[in-house]
Amino acid sequence: KQEVTQIPAALSVPEGENLVLNCSFTDSAIYNLQWFRQDPGKGLTSLLLIQSSQREQTSGRLNASLDKSSGRSTLYIAASQPGDSATYLCAVLNSGGSNYKLTFGKGTLLTVNP
Amino acid sequence: SAVISQKPSRDICQRGTSLTIQCQVDSQVTMMFWYRQQPGQSLTLIATANQGSEATYESGFVIDKFPISRPNLTFSTLTVSNMSPEDSSIYLCSVECYGRQAYNEQFFGPGTRLTVL
Repeated sequence: KQEVTQIPAALSVPEGENLVLNCSFTDSAIYNLQWFRQDPGKGLTSLLLIQSSQREQTSGRLNASLDKSSGRSTLYIAASQPGDSATYLCAVLNSGGSNYKLTFGKGTLLTVNP
Repeated sequence: SAVISQKPSRDICQRGTSLTIQCQVDSQVTMMFWYRQQPGQSLTLIATANQGSEATYESGFVIDKFPISRPNLTFSTLTVSNMSPEDSSIYLCSVECYGRQAYNEQFFGPGTRLTVL
């Protein structure tokens, strides 16, 4: 059974800092890994998706990496802003028949202080 | 990508009643999913709803409690039946489709916040 762990559970940084969020998963048989952002009481916004054959993806100030063999991914946020404050969720899409589904971590609550 | 809307956005219900949540997508998609997010928790998949077939439920979720309809490629409903306070959660609909990043990117609706008294 796939398990996804995110560290840290919460992170508070001053504006302008670069930061790294971590995600690990136990089963490397995945199609892809997605990073989402969730604002309080809202749905999820897809940030980055890395296919299992890829190593990293970039979008603006965000960079996500994937090391499938070791079951790890990182989300790097450069020059953080107060508007980046949200919960960041990592999810892996499991491969294989009836197991085809997204498994989520519990998220990292990020607060960027002005 | 896909734009997803859900109705209602929130509701407060009495225990023992049922609520039907609607999910509408702006494009035709094969795979739709229903998730539950309990307070302070991450998302848990309830079921996968593909058009033309019965929904597939995850362990711990049953059709009698969470009946799902999928009448066409752009619409689905989830009913939460005989509700109890433990059903208080955010319920989210998602779809898999061709996004800007991949053919199997998943997109989520804004969620339905349910409170059961």
